[in-house]
Amino acid sequence: QVQLVESGGGVVQPGRSLRLSCAASGFSFSNYGMHWVRQAPGKGLEWVAVIWYDGSYKHYADSVKGRFTISRDNSKNTLYLQMNSLRAEDTAIYYCARDVVPTRGDYFDYWGRGTLVTVSS
Amino acid sequence: QSVLTQPPSASGTPGQRVTISCSGSSSNIGSNTVSWYQQLPGTALKLLIYSYNQRPSGVPDRFSGSKSGTSASLAISGLQSEDEADYFCAAWDDSLNGWVFGGGTKLTVL
Repeated sequence: QVQLVESGGGVVQPGRSLRLSCAASGFSFSNYGMHWVRQAPGKGLEWVAVIWYDGSYKHYADSVKGRFTISRDNSKNTLYLQMNSLRAEDTAIYYCARDVVPTRGDYFDYWGRGTLVTVSS
Repeated sequence: QSVLTQPPSASGTPGQRVTISCSGSSSNIGSNTVSWYQQLPGTALKLLIYSYNQRPSGVPDRFSGSKSGTSASLAISGLQSEDEADYFCAAWDDSLNGWVFGGGTKLTVL
């Protein structure tokens, strides 16, 4: 069955960096677009970034553009999110989610359980 | 402040029918499809409804979706205790050039 398992979260000081990973299994990872979505404590969901199936296209929410980088290693079935210049407002649970198509589809059909990132001094 | 507006809470008794609304604009719900997700405590989000009213295999037909203009709704009929969860709506936004979500609705089964 499809599984997405995030890791790499933790407590980090403002201005520092962190890299999240999402290990995929149970499907052909290289055939799907992938997303990062986050949820601040007690808040709703916020889409962060998308990467196409082959890594050729990446797109970011304005709130993270220039600071976060999404990438993937199809040989390792793993999605990444490099987060630089972290701010307190980046504190959230970060979820990876699978797109329904290789590029940008109309919905996310599978989600991971998330990894918590806390930005605090 | 979420781009799509949902009521923060909803409730019903077992067997009842409950509706959760999701209000947007012409740049998101008005021109793109809506999907709904269920978040049970401590579990991964689950796709419930896509393309306004389609259900993935395994989702009971008690769950249904609809759209009217710039709003969408999720209806749950024959409410069960295991339906107690948070529910989120989502759509692509042409103006923001990104995905937007509702703030979530916490459903309580009384």
